[in-house]
Amino acid sequence: AQSVTQPDIHITVSEGASLELRCNYSYGATPYLFWYVQSPGQGLQLLLKYFSGDTLVQGIKGFEAEFKRSQSSFNLRKPSVHWSDAAEYFCAVGLILTGGGNKLTFGTGTQLKVEL
Amino acid sequence: DAGVIQSPRHEVTEMGQEVTLRCKPISGHDYLFWYRQTMMRGLELLIYFNNNVPIDDSGMPEDRFSAKMPNASFSTLKIQPSEPRDSAVYFCASSSGFGRRTDTQYFGPGTRLTVL
Repeated sequence: AQSVTQPDIHITVSEGASLELRCNYSYGATPYLFWYVQSPGQGLQLLLKYFSGDTLVQGIKGFEAEFKRSQSSFNLRKPSVHWSDAAEYFCAVGLILTGGGNKLTFGTGTQLKVEL
Repeated sequence: DAGVIQSPRHEVTEMGQEVTLRCKPISGHDYLFWYRQTMMRGLELLIYFNNNVPIDDSGMPEDRFSAKMPNASFSTLKIQPSEPRDSAVYFCASSSGFGRRTDTQYFGPGTRLTVL
């Protein structure tokens, strides 16, 4: 069965600093990988996704992630963090469903705090 | 599109009462997912539907939980009787499969359930 590990429960960065959130996955085949963000009291919003091709994926809000098969990782990065990026971030791996679509398994999330 | 709509946004009830959570997926989407989010267990998939048919309910915690999708635009998750340990945020998500593996799940804002 697929699984996702986000080793950092909490991360604090200063505004303007760079950010990297770690994600490791376990999956028997080529994984379909996602990063979602959840602001307080809100649902989850997709930041980016990887299915195939270029291992560096660009997303919304200036985020990017790099798929590294040799390390079973899909870390999320942003060169300069803004105070509005404070939220909880979830990495997920997708199991392809018959007829299309994905069944997602989520990591436990990383809470990002941004210091002004 | 209004996105995935969930109601109510907040529900407070007493132990033993019946609780019904509602979801309206994005028009045209043929997959609907119910998730539960708690501090202890994170985001868990409870059940998902394809074309209104329940496909996998292995995540439903026990017989007190039931879900239905009478038509393409409406789904319910019912807990009867409710217990304090059911307190959580329940999310509904939808996606359009149509054989496309790259589809994204779009999440609703969630229903925060508190069982006293």
